[in-house]
Amino acid sequence: DGGITQSPKYLFRKEGQNVTLSCEQNLNHDAMYWYRQDPGQGLRLIYYSQIVNDFQKGDIAEGYSVSREKKESFPLTVTSAQKNPTAFYLCASSTGTESYNEQFFGPGTRLTVL
Amino acid sequence: DAKTTQPPSMDCAEGRAANLPCNHSTISGNEYVYWYRQIHSQGPQYIIHGLKNNETNEMASLIITEDRKSSTLILPHATLRDTAVYYCIVISLHTGRRALTFGSGTRLQVQP
Repeated sequence: DGGITQSPKYLFRKEGQNVTLSCEQNLNHDAMYWYRQDPGQGLRLIYYSQIVNDFQKGDIAEGYSVSREKKESFPLTVTSAQKNPTAFYLCASSTGTESYNEQFFGPGTRLTVL
Repeated sequence: DAKTTQPPSMDCAEGRAANLPCNHSTISGNEYVYWYRQIHSQGPQYIIHGLKNNETNEMASLIITEDRKSSTLILPHATLRDTAVYYCIVISLHTGRRALTFGSGTRLQVQP
């Protein structure tokens, strides 16, 4: 089955540690996205990538980093510079074509900083 | 991208139609209306989108007013599994960035 996966589902981190969240898709999509969601809020864009080896900052990129070395993978690193990293993190992908923008979301990773 | 306004919450009886409104009075001519929903602690799910004509698929219908300043998502026969937060999003597909900007959405509670 085609889809988008994120791991782990739950992640605990001590303050001051970097942590990397995995996102993989087998939909052959060009574009991938990382969003952050806080309780009772909508999604905010962290980073996005429209093609391999290229990515752009979203609205809240500070304290985060990404890489896009392969089409199917878009890992997100939450660094110690991120002041309030506890949140629900969602990865998505889309075809990136001009006329259509349905985004497929993964199940999310819930990060808690202890 | 244009901003949208949705009621924070709505209730609907199981089996009845759920009509979820969205106001997007500043929408421009090349912007589409998209609807997603998010069931608790899951990733959002695409429902439907449209530009100016009414649209229908297996999940829902989308009614866009003639002036395009508002729209209504219709779930024709709501079930308990339709309980979720519904997001109305306006987006231009002709800009470089196609990421979605989600507001707070409408929390739909389907009652048995």
